[in-house]
Amino acid sequence: AQSVSQHNHHVILSEAASLELGCNYSYGGTVNLFWYVQYPGQHLQLLLKYFSGDPLVKGIKGFEAEFIKSKFSFNLRKPSVQWSDTAEYFCAVRGGSYIPTFGRGTSLIVHP
Amino acid sequence: ETGVTQTPRHLVMGMTNKKSLKCEQHLGHNAMYWYKQSAKKPLELMFVYSLEERVENNSVPSRFSPECPNSSHLFLHLHTLQPEDSALYLCASSQDMGTGKTEAFFGQGTRLTVV
Repeated sequence: AQSVSQHNHHVILSEAASLELGCNYSYGGTVNLFWYVQYPGQHLQLLLKYFSGDPLVKGIKGFEAEFIKSKFSFNLRKPSVQWSDTAEYFCAVRGGSYIPTFGRGTSLIVHP
Repeated sequence: ETGVTQTPRHLVMGMTNKKSLKCEQHLGHNAMYWYKQSAKKPLELMFVYSLEERVENNSVPSRFSPECPNSSHLFLHLHTLQPEDSALYLCASSQDMGTGKTEAFFGQGTRLTVV
């Protein structure tokens, strides 16, 4: 069975700080990996995804993530966060089944 | 707009009521999902339908009853709920066939409060 672990449950940063959110998964085969964001009061929306090819994936709003197969990781990064990045971030993995499994989520608060 | 529409957005119901949540997707996807999102808990997968057949039922109590009449519509029928069932219920859809696989697209959710 596939599972996802997000290490940071709550992160508080000041604007312009750099961000890295950890995500590790467990599944031995080929995976698709996703990061979703949920802004306050809004729906879950896709930030970026990895299906195959270049392991460094660029998404919307300046976010990127790197798939490191040997570490079973797919960490999310942003060099300089903004107040508007305050949101809940979810990592998800899809392995043998097409059904994605989500992590617990990381709450990010960015102070202006 | 995500292409996945959920109604109602908010629902307050008593424990003896019967209500239904509705989800409609306009993306031509062949798989639809119900998730439950509670505070401080991971997203919980409840049900999955693929090509209108239920393929996953994650030990969900029988007071939740899904229905998928066609590939565009998904319902969640609720009856005799408990206060701990109060949560955000999310519908999602995706394309799960072959090389056309996509990520899951989510609706806005229905905020359910059981009183």
